[in-house]
Amino acid sequence: KAGVTQTPRYLIKTRGQQVTLSCSPISGHRSVSWYQQTPGQGLQFLFEYFSETQRNKGNFPGRFSGRQFSNSRSEMNVSTLELGDSALYLCASRLGAESTEAFFGQGTRLTVV
Amino acid sequence: AQTVTQSQPEMSVQEAETVTLSCTYDTSESDYYLFWYKQPPSRQMILVIRQEAYKQQNATENRFSVNFQKAAKSFSLKISDSQLGDAAMYFCAYRSRGTSGSRLTFGEGTQLTVNP
Repeated sequence: KAGVTQTPRYLIKTRGQQVTLSCSPISGHRSVSWYQQTPGQGLQFLFEYFSETQRNKGNFPGRFSGRQFSNSRSEMNVSTLELGDSALYLCASRLGAESTEAFFGQGTRLTVV
Repeated sequence: AQTVTQSQPEMSVQEAETVTLSCTYDTSESDYYLFWYKQPPSRQMILVIRQEAYKQQNATENRFSVNFQKAAKSFSLKISDSQLGDAAMYFCAYRSRGTSGSRLTFGEGTQLTVNP
């Protein structure tokens, strides 16, 4: 059974550009959450999607958005990139909305220059 | 809001020895989950062990066990018979059990080094 797949693994963007990251959850999983990991702020929750609906949102500016498709794949978008958006973005999938265990992907390393 | 604190940025242990990583948390909720995740250099977060707050018995998974002190809001991880493959960053995490969603609140992490 394939794990959580995040693409791309590495990305370099210029300040002011926008970026889209993709996450394919484990087959059959319907919940996808996104986290940002930086040396300064640690791991912070971005948002969670279940059955194409956003269930929860962290404390991030509106430049950060996401969506989930009918096949449970999720994308997150960051517009007007800032240097501080450089981070490892992790995606986690769970079987259902109340499932306990979250399975993480290997992340997308975004560098903003 | 819940907070999780790991006061040990770095720890080291000799192979085959035992090490304990500390974690404290703050919450006003009575029902929740606590987790320890491991993040090796591959960056993928791997669940090590979890504890339901309503369970008084401490969770164990092979060489990994926890000491859950609900009143003290403490949740430490003990690794017995440490192996080189245990070297990683370890994160303590909290999750509400209620309807507020499944967001995980992480601590700052403890970098564990295992010396041969």
